[in-house]
Amino acid sequence: EAGVTQSPTHLIKTRGQQATLRCSPISGHTSVYWYQQALGLGLQFLLWYDEGEERNRGNFPPRFSGRQFPNYSSELNVNALELEDSALYLCASSPRVTGNEQFFGPGTRLTVL
Amino acid sequence: AQSVTQPDIHITVSEGASLELRCNYSYGATPYLFWYVQSPGQGLQLLLKYFSGDTLVQGIKGFEAEFKRSQSSFNLRKPSVHWSDAAEYFCAVVISGTYKYIFGTGTRLKVLA
Repeated sequence: EAGVTQSPTHLIKTRGQQATLRCSPISGHTSVYWYQQALGLGLQFLLWYDEGEERNRGNFPPRFSGRQFPNYSSELNVNALELEDSALYLCASSPRVTGNEQFFGPGTRLTVL
Repeated sequence: AQSVTQPDIHITVSEGASLELRCNYSYGATPYLFWYVQSPGQGLQLLLKYFSGDTLVQGIKGFEAEFKRSQSSFNLRKPSVHWSDAAEYFCAVVISGTYKYIFGTGTRLKVLA
């Protein structure tokens, strides 16, 4: 069974540009979660999608947005990039069963210059 | 508000020594509890989880954790650490009846040869 995949592995952008990160969940998982892991800050919850709808978002500005497609894959968009957006962005998937663990992808390393 | 505390940011142990990583949560009822491990530049891998029942939980790679309701703790232990255990460890909770995951800030483990 294939795990959670993310693309690209690395992404280098400059300030003010837009970044698009992609995530494919494990087959059968309807929930996708996005996290930002900046150096020394642990995992910060960004967004949760389930069945194509945004269910919850963390304490991030609106320039962080995303969507979930009918096949449950997901896209995270970051507009007007700032230097502090440089981080590892992790995607996780889970079946929508309360208490189930999340399965993580390898992450996308975003560097903003 | 619900929270997860990992009081030790860094821990250094010698190879072969025992290990205990602390995790405390703040929540009125018993949540679902997890420990994840993250190797450098990688996603998170589930080590073990507690939902109910026996309060001593066995996981992969020789790890175990004990849930103590009276202390709101879920500490991770390993009797003999291997150099390959050097990584960052995250405790997480899911509030019963919700899909909200809360992660601790992580403990970085260094293993001395």
